[in-house]
Amino acid sequence: EAGVAQSPRYKIIEKRQSVAFWCNPISGHATLYWYQQILGQGPKLLIQFQNNGVVDDSQLPKDRFSAERLKGVDSTLKIQPAKLEDSAVYLCASSLDLVNEQFFGPGTRLTVL
Amino acid sequence: AQTVTQSQPEMSVQEAETVTLSCTYDTSESDYYLFWYKQPPSRQMILVIRQEAYKQQNATENRFSVNFQKAAKSFSLKISDSQLGDAAMYFCTSGGTSYGKLTFGQGTILTVHP
Repeated sequence: EAGVAQSPRYKIIEKRQSVAFWCNPISGHATLYWYQQILGQGPKLLIQFQNNGVVDDSQLPKDRFSAERLKGVDSTLKIQPAKLEDSAVYLCASSLDLVNEQFFGPGTRLTVL
Repeated sequence: AQTVTQSQPEMSVQEAETVTLSCTYDTSESDYYLFWYKQPPSRQMILVIRQEAYKQQNATENRFSVNFQKAAKSFSLKISDSQLGDAAMYFCTSGGTSYGKLTFGQGTILTVHP
C-alpha cells in the first residue's frame, strides 16, 4: 500500500514570496490533515478536511495561508506571502475516517530567508 | 479543548534495558483516543501504540506497552528490551472521536546507548 506522498521535500524561499505544498493521501482515506511542526516542537494542526469539506481550520492563519482539497483526494497548502516564522516542516496526514490512525507523509521542510 | 504535556524533554536508556516515557493530558471530550507516535531523525512519523479511553485494559504492541490511568489522566509508554532503532522523538497525542483532531505533546527525545 502506497503511503502519503508530499512534494516538494525541501523548499527555500525569501520572505514575502509565495509557496505551495502538495499532498496525495492514501487511497480511500476520507480525512486529510495539514500540520505545522516548528523545530523541536510537536506538530500543530492547521486544517482538517473530511472528503472535500473543511472540518477544522481554527488555527490556520487565514490572512496568508490557504488550503484546498479538490475532489476529496489531493490537497494543496499555500502560503502567500511567507514570513520568517513560517519556517517549519509541513506534514500531511490522512486517515480512513475521524477515529482511525493517522498516517503521515515525509513532510516538506520550508526555510524562509 | 485538549492539552498534552510531556515533562521529559530527553531520556536515555541502555540497549536491552527498559525505559518509561511520561505523558499527562486533559480533555473535554467524553470519548477519546490516546496515541504514542515515533519520529526518527529525518524520517516520518509512525504510530507506536494506540489506547481507546473506554478500554480499561492497557494496550500492548510487542515491546511497547502503556500504563493508562484514566482518573489521573496519565498515559505513559514503556519500552522493553530497548533497541538502537528505538532512538527517536516520541510524541504523546490525544484525539477526540467526534472530529479526529490530534493534539500533540512537546515530545521526548529518546537516546539509546549501545
